[in-house]
Amino acid sequence: QQKVQQSPESLIVPEGAMTSLNCTFSDSASQYFAWYRQHSGKAPKALMSIFSNGEKEEGRFTIHLNKASLHFSLHIRDSQPSDSALYLCAVSLSSGSWQLIFGSGTQLTVMP
Amino acid sequence: DPKIIQKPKYLVAVTGSEKILICEQYLGHNAMYWYRQSAKKPLEFMFSYSYQKLMDNQTASSRFQPQSSKKNHLDLQITALKPDDSATYFCASSQDLPGLGRYEQYFGPGTRLTVL
Repeated sequence: QQKVQQSPESLIVPEGAMTSLNCTFSDSASQYFAWYRQHSGKAPKALMSIFSNGEKEEGRFTIHLNKASLHFSLHIRDSQPSDSALYLCAVSLSSGSWQLIFGSGTQLTVMP
Repeated sequence: DPKIIQKPKYLVAVTGSEKILICEQYLGHNAMYWYRQSAKKPLEFMFSYSYQKLMDNQTASSRFQPQSSKKNHLDLQITALKPDDSATYFCASSQDLPGLGRYEQYFGPGTRLTVL
């Protein structure tokens, strides 16, 4: 069974800083790795995803995946107060199941 | 206009009662899901449906029963409610089968259920 863990649980950074969020998983056969963002009282919303080892950049956001080390990460450049939210990593099951397994989240606060 | 509608937004129930949570999506997606999120547990997968057919069920209790009357409609019936069922229940949808690489899921606004 896929296990997904996130670190840190919470993070406070100043505006303009680089933020790094981490996610580890237990089964490297999974095909889909994603970050979702959830503002307080709102629905989770997909932010970025990656399917193969490497890096992908979209604007201020970069996602890294290293299947060999069972790790992927999200980096936010020039963090803004509007980035303050709960960040959830998600990994698909490798068995072809429809499930996404979510981590418990990192609560990010960006101080102005 | 909201693309995934969940009703009601808030729901208070007494222990032992039965409630139905409503979900409709207008994204033209073929797959729909239910998730549960509480302070004690992370976002937790419950069910997945595709073309009104149950694909995955990770809910151990038969008290939770999904119901799909139309392809874009997936309700969740919960019977014999317990205080531990208190959580926010999210409906989600995705374009198609995960095997086609279309994994991204779109979440509705949620129904916050409180069981007294």
